[in-house]
Amino acid sequence: AQRVTQPEKLLSVFKGAPVELKCNYSYSGSPELFWYVQYSRQRLQLLLRHISRESIKGFTADLNKGETSFHLKKPFAQEEDSAMYYCALRSQGNLIFGKGTKLSVKP
Amino acid sequence: SAVISQKPSRDICQRGTSLTIQCQVDSQVTMMFWYRQQPGQSLTLIATANQGSEATYESGFVIDKFPISRPNLTFSTLTVSNMSPEDSSIYLCSAQGQGSYGYTFGSGTRLTVV
Repeated sequence: AQRVTQPEKLLSVFKGAPVELKCNYSYSGSPELFWYVQYSRQRLQLLLRHISRESIKGFTADLNKGETSFHLKKPFAQEEDSAMYYCALRSQGNLIFGKGTKLSVKP
Repeated sequence: SAVISQKPSRDICQRGTSLTIQCQVDSQVTMMFWYRQQPGQSLTLIATANQGSEATYESGFVIDKFPISRPNLTFSTLTVSNMSPEDSSIYLCSAQGQGSYGYTFGSGTRLTVV
């Protein structure tokens, strides 16, 4: 069955520290994966997608098919990165979401 | 990418009543979806709103409880019928633009049933 797992409910780091938000997936076929972010009191918005291999706000994510992972990384966290992060898998035209990881960046 | 206006943003409703949530997109989109996000939980897909035909519901969701309309390529409604406190949740509209891999989300409707 298609599934997205984000093992960490909360991740707390200090400003300037590296960040890695974990995401593992289960999917038969070639996956399309996304990271979405929701800042406080704002709507859910697309952060990046693996197809475009882009870097947004310093975040990158590499699809590792062998490990079925799509971890989100940033070398130096900023306070404004504090938000809820969701990993999502496209399946049959819609998105399957992980449970989300709340990132808290402390000054 | 498409911009979605969703309303109402929040409501407090009596059990047994129904609430209709509206979702307006500023451009024609291929796909529209309705999600539910219960407190402390992730987003769960309720249904795909199909233009000109009946919505496609996910397991655990039925048309009688969550009737959906999509009269054109820019508008959809979700009705939460015969509400109970268990329906208290955030309901989100989402759309995928034509030729786009990204999905855009509305700001959500926070529903509280008392």
